[in-house]
Amino acid sequence: DAGITQSPRHKVTETGTPVTLRCHQTENHRYMYWYRQDPGHGLRLIHYSYGVKDTDKGEVSDGYSVSRSKTEDFLLTLESATSSQTSVYFCAISELSADTQYFGPGTRLTVL
Amino acid sequence: SQQGEEDPQALSIQEGENATMNCSYKTSINNLQWYRQNSGRGLVHLILIRSNEREKHSGRLRVTLDTSKKSSSLLITASRAADTASYFCATDGRGNYQLIWGAGTKLIIKP
Repeated sequence: DAGITQSPRHKVTETGTPVTLRCHQTENHRYMYWYRQDPGHGLRLIHYSYGVKDTDKGEVSDGYSVSRSKTEDFLLTLESATSSQTSVYFCAISELSADTQYFGPGTRLTVL
Repeated sequence: SQQGEEDPQALSIQEGENATMNCSYKTSINNLQWYRQNSGRGLVHLILIRSNEREKHSGRLRVTLDTSKKSSSLLITASRAADTASYFCATDGRGNYQLIWGAGTKLIIKP
């Protein structure tokens, strides 16, 4: 299995609080992605990175920001969590653009 | 919006039978991929087929690609209980770094 970890694995927080999710890889892959998965919606891309300090928005980026200061770490921040951001969040990595992706175990976030 | 559309949305078969699921897409692609997701877990890559390939095999999996119809199928032969999962197709049709994901087919293998 690709070396991808996500932390925390579970989090419960309250509306209005900031939340940061971390994705860490040991594969030295260039591309990293944050997705959310909700029933009936499949996977939706939030943000992605194509290199250190190079990031771009996905289809559901409102309310989220990301940072990538080194190859191995990709952080997803919810500046002020809302109940609509309750979801399962997956990080993925890829060696090549739009090619095979390897997924982390996911973070289940509940915003009360 | 999702480019990949899997069909059927759900499929329930007996163990030992073959399972076929389909994926349609809208724009031209360089590759199409299939992934599996067991309940509560991350997605696992199964197979990638490039636009110049028509068929690809991996163990009990067979994937076909028809670029003229913009469709792909995933066949799982001699299904097992462990094949119970959701299956997703993804294409690179946006022309940037992203994949476009379908909503998935939920496969249940009955013992």
